[in-house]
Amino acid sequence: GAGVSQSPSNKVTEKGKDVELRCDPISGHTALYWYRQRLGQGLEFLIYFQGNSAPDKSGLPSDRFSAERTGESVSTLTIQRTQQEDSAVYLCASSLELATAGELFFGEGSRLTVL
Amino acid sequence: AQTVTQSQPEMSVQEAETVTLSCTYDTSESDYYLFWYKQPPSRQMILVIRQEAYKQQNATENRFSVNFQKAAKSFSLKISDSQLGDAAMYFCAYRSAGAGSYQLTFGKGTKLSVIP
Repeated sequence: GAGVSQSPSNKVTEKGKDVELRCDPISGHTALYWYRQRLGQGLEFLIYFQGNSAPDKSGLPSDRFSAERTGESVSTLTIQRTQQEDSAVYLCASSLELATAGELFFGEGSRLTVL
Repeated sequence: AQTVTQSQPEMSVQEAETVTLSCTYDTSESDYYLFWYKQPPSRQMILVIRQEAYKQQNATENRFSVNFQKAAKSFSLKISDSQLGDAAMYFCAYRSAGAGSYQLTFGKGTKLSVIP
């Protein structure tokens, strides 16, 4: 596609429910990142993927968070048993390769609201 | 761990004037990259400018330029001839140049308003 696509754009859920957020990176981009942006805050790194290498999960805040990516395609971020503090915008980004990390192309994010 | 500090939560500038956004960072590394990203209301982050720490020359991209002071660990963004479309959140970010260090560390952002 022309850019990084994320869905849903907005998601409202009840505390305790599971949610799944999807990211479709730019075609040909081997690296994919997930960041979380809480209201009024900067971006917190969650996880990144590079091709078929083991992902760097060091930013995931708890075991309720997980992410998958098959090859160099779509990624899914799953949050289980959502809590109110999970409310945030979840941003996905991709880049040609990790060596160029920093020149990231971002999607418009998925805004998650946990009631 | 590296930290990035943006001490100005909000700034405003008259259209056509110049504004400077501040950023400082803390690191023990000698080789790294610094970035300024713009986030308009659409939420999509856009890379504005990038600086390699080993380069002494300040990066410039059209109306955007940086003042990189490595010893002071300062990386400010200057926007010249400000336009209404420049209104957005601006984030300063740091990335180590070391192998395996692909995370970007972001500051909390500066909200820039442009007054017509």
